[in-house]
Amino acid sequence: EVQLVESGGGLVQPGRSLRLSCAPSGFTFFGYELNWVRQAPGKGLEWVSSINTIGDAIYYADSVQGRFTISRDNAKNSLYLQMDSLRAEDTAVYYCARVAVSGYYFYFMDVWGKGTTVTVSS
Amino acid sequence: EIVLTQSPVTLSLSPGQRATLSCRASQSISRYLAWYQQKPGQAPRLLIYDASLRATGIPARFSGSGSGTDFTLTISSLEPEDFAVYYCQQRSNWYTFGQGTKLEIK
Repeated sequence: EVQLVESGGGLVQPGRSLRLSCAPSGFTFFGYELNWVRQAPGKGLEWVSSINTIGDAIYYADSVQGRFTISRDNAKNSLYLQMDSLRAEDTAVYYCARVAVSGYYFYFMDVWGKGTTVTVSS
Repeated sequence: EIVLTQSPVTLSLSPGQRATLSCRASQSISRYLAWYQQKPGQAPRLLIYDASLRATGIPARFSGSGSGTDFTLTISSLEPEDFAVYYCQQRSNWYTFGQGTKLEIK
């Protein structure tokens, strides 16, 4: 079965750091671009970051630029999100998602993990 | 940044009825649109990509249409399990999502 499993969420104080991980199964990890997407309580979906297959093309939403770092280790089949200088507004469920590309070169997300919850509070 | 605006915010219908959800882009995105379904406590699930292509395993009652700036997700005859929140998504420079439409049981 194709799936993604996130881990590393928890309660953290403002200004502190947290690292999320995402582990895939059932597909060739290194062949896919991956995203982090988050959802604040009661809110909609917000794209956070993307990383290409070899990790040399990385993009961030303005809201996390300079504070979050996405990375991947293809040898370990793992995706990471290092979150520094956390703020209350970073409180959310964080999903990792696999990127698919259509024949028209449209990028969308075809496999999602169940998410890991990050709560930033003192 | 391209903004996606979904309407209505909430749609109240009964099982068996037809649902029509709208997503409007602030500028043309050709057919580069996806739709997702999200149930409470669950991750989003891909329904439609390229505006009208159903993802693997998605029932035929779900259909997508549109191009340019106006898109529609139609559920031809609602099943009890279809009541959820639906999001549209585009990727021009970066990914953006609509704010969602909640489809609730009337």
